[in-house]
Amino acid sequence: GENVEQHPSTLSVQEGDSAVIKCTYSDSASNYFPWYKQELGKGPQLIIDIRSNVGEKKDQRIAVTLNKTAKHFSLHITETQPEDSAVYFCAAITSGTYKYIFGTGTRLKVLA
Amino acid sequence: DTAVSQTPKYLVTQMGNDKSIKCEQNLGHDTMYWYKQDSKKFLKIMFSYNNKELIINETVPNRFSPKSPDKAHLNLHINSLELGDSAVYFCASSLWDRSKFFGPGTRLTVL
Repeated sequence: GENVEQHPSTLSVQEGDSAVIKCTYSDSASNYFPWYKQELGKGPQLIIDIRSNVGEKKDQRIAVTLNKTAKHFSLHITETQPEDSAVYFCAAITSGTYKYIFGTGTRLKVLA
Repeated sequence: DTAVSQTPKYLVTQMGNDKSIKCEQNLGHDTMYWYKQDSKKFLKIMFSYNNKELIINETVPNRFSPKSPDKAHLNLHINSLELGDSAVYFCASSLWDRSKFFGPGTRLTVL
């Protein structure tokens, strides 16, 4: 069946450095790719998303890139801060269907 | 204003008991979900309701029974609780296939 692979599972960076999390999806019909941030003791919250007709989207320190040919997309966080420490989930969705597949999560630690 | 709320936040109970978790959303969404998150943080879809109609029912023991009295509520009832049911359960809602809004989670511990 369809799946979404997410790497790395854990990532530690120094404050101020950049962090990159990558996801690969299998269903070529997937056309919407959100990213969620889950802080300790809370539910996942949408932080940025991208649709398949766009190659890159940026919102302040976070950006997402999409390579449809290779079927992978990435989350980029620049100038990381301690409050960026959380678990991040990617997801791949096929619009108009029930298919909403989450990646396995990446635990990001930003070291002060 | 709370968008997706769940009660209780913590639930500690003995094996064999029956318990319920309640969820409410005030976003006007038409689709609601229950997810189970295990200790490794994997998010696993359990159920999904669209306009009160069950549309996703993943491989979940029939001890788990969702109930949607209206579009704004989706409750989860669990019979004969087992140790392996211990996890964090998240309710979420969305407008059909759009982005999901998650509740704060219910941490269930079965002793």
